[in-house]
Amino acid sequence: NAGVTQTPKFRILKIGQSMTLQCAQDMNHNYMYWYRQDPGMGLKLIYYSVGAGITDKGEVPNGYNVSRSTTEDFPLRLELAAPSQTSVYFCASSYRGGRNTEAFFGQGTRLTVV
Amino acid sequence: GENVEQHPSTLSVQEGDSAVIKCTYSDSASNYFPWYKQELGKGPQLIIDIRSNVGEKKDQRIAVTLNKTAKHFSLHITETQPEDSAVYFCAASKAAGNKLTFGGGTRVLVKP
Repeated sequence: NAGVTQTPKFRILKIGQSMTLQCAQDMNHNYMYWYRQDPGMGLKLIYYSVGAGITDKGEVPNGYNVSRSTTEDFPLRLELAAPSQTSVYFCASSYRGGRNTEAFFGQGTRLTVV
Repeated sequence: GENVEQHPSTLSVQEGDSAVIKCTYSDSASNYFPWYKQELGKGPQLIIDIRSNVGEKKDQRIAVTLNKTAKHFSLHITETQPEDSAVYFCAASKAAGNKLTFGGGTRVLVKP
């Protein structure tokens, strides 16, 4: 199993550009999450999904959008990039229902907006 | 919503000594408390977790204690080794597998 796979690993965006951060998991987890980690800080929840077709806002959703059309994929969209979105983004997944699991994290995407 | 505070933010210990990291949480409904280790350039990885019906859990050199009344939990690493150097995060959730609220992290440096 590959676990949680994020692409790209690094990206530099200009202010106002848009991009999609990709996340895929192959563990048949129903819950998926996007977190951002600013330098020297903890992880803050951006959006999460409890299953295909269902998404909800986390603590810091402004400037982002998500969709969950399949169990495996949970892309994060930045429409108008701003310097405040410079951060490391982590996707995670877990299973809830019966035998609950821990959250598994991807390797992260380091995004710089200039 | 839930708020998790973590202390200290940095911790330097001599190899072989113990390290202790403390966290407090605000939501009494939280009942799942994992600890993650993050190495440079990598995503967080679970090292140990504890549920609210347990006061202490141990796994080799790592132990976690939970005081639900006081709403705090701690990570203890004994006989520290250089490979224990990393950033450690505590987190809280209403249930295993559910969304997590993280503490601010502790950078641990183990000096040989």
